[in-house]
Amino acid sequence: GDSVTQTEGLVTLTEGLPVMLNCTYQTAYSTFLFWYVQHLNEAPKLLLKSSTDNKRTEHQGFHATLHKSSSSFHLQKSSAQLSDSALYYCALASSGSWQLIFGSGTQLTVMP
Amino acid sequence: GALVYQYPRRTICKSGTSMRMECQAVGFQATSVAWYRQSPQKTFELIALSTVNSAIKYEQNFTQEKFPISHPNLSFSSMTVLNAYLEDRGLYLCGAPGEGNQAPLFGEGTRLSVL
Repeated sequence: GDSVTQTEGLVTLTEGLPVMLNCTYQTAYSTFLFWYVQHLNEAPKLLLKSSTDNKRTEHQGFHATLHKSSSSFHLQKSSAQLSDSALYYCALASSGSWQLIFGSGTQLTVMP
Repeated sequence: GALVYQYPRRTICKSGTSMRMECQAVGFQATSVAWYRQSPQKTFELIALSTVNSAIKYEQNFTQEKFPISHPNLSFSSMTVLNAYLEDRGLYLCGAPGEGNQAPLFGEGTRLSVL
């Protein structure tokens, strides 16, 4: 069945350094990929989405490119800020269904 | 604009009692609604998908006997956690499909604590 893999459970880095959170997926269908950000005690909020192969999508300083050849949708940011500390979830919705399958999440902690 | 409203935002119930949570579609019609649970330190699990005038489809490990869902019209759905225990703690999220290629719409969730 469909699945999403986020290999890092915890990422800690210093403010100003680049961020890269990995996301790979498996599906037999065409798909939408999403990144959600969840701050403490809040619901997840949509950060990015894409269904177009090899097209970079950007929002709030973050960007990701869907690569269907490698089934990846890694989240990146050139310079981390303290306020970026949060849980990040990669999720997919495969063709024919809109409900999401979430990855296990990556806790990003940005230190001063 | 379209949004999903969930009520209550937070609730506490005694172990063994039941708790009902509601999901309201505002500004659009929710032909289907998905309920998710995020247990402490875990990711979001799909509980069930409810479509108006169709049978509710529960995922593995979730049953109608434990999580009965009502979806009487295109703007409202409710789910009850029956006989709640510690393992039922978490954030319960209600989602509905966005229009066209929009992302699914989620509510702010109902956070359930069990004493």
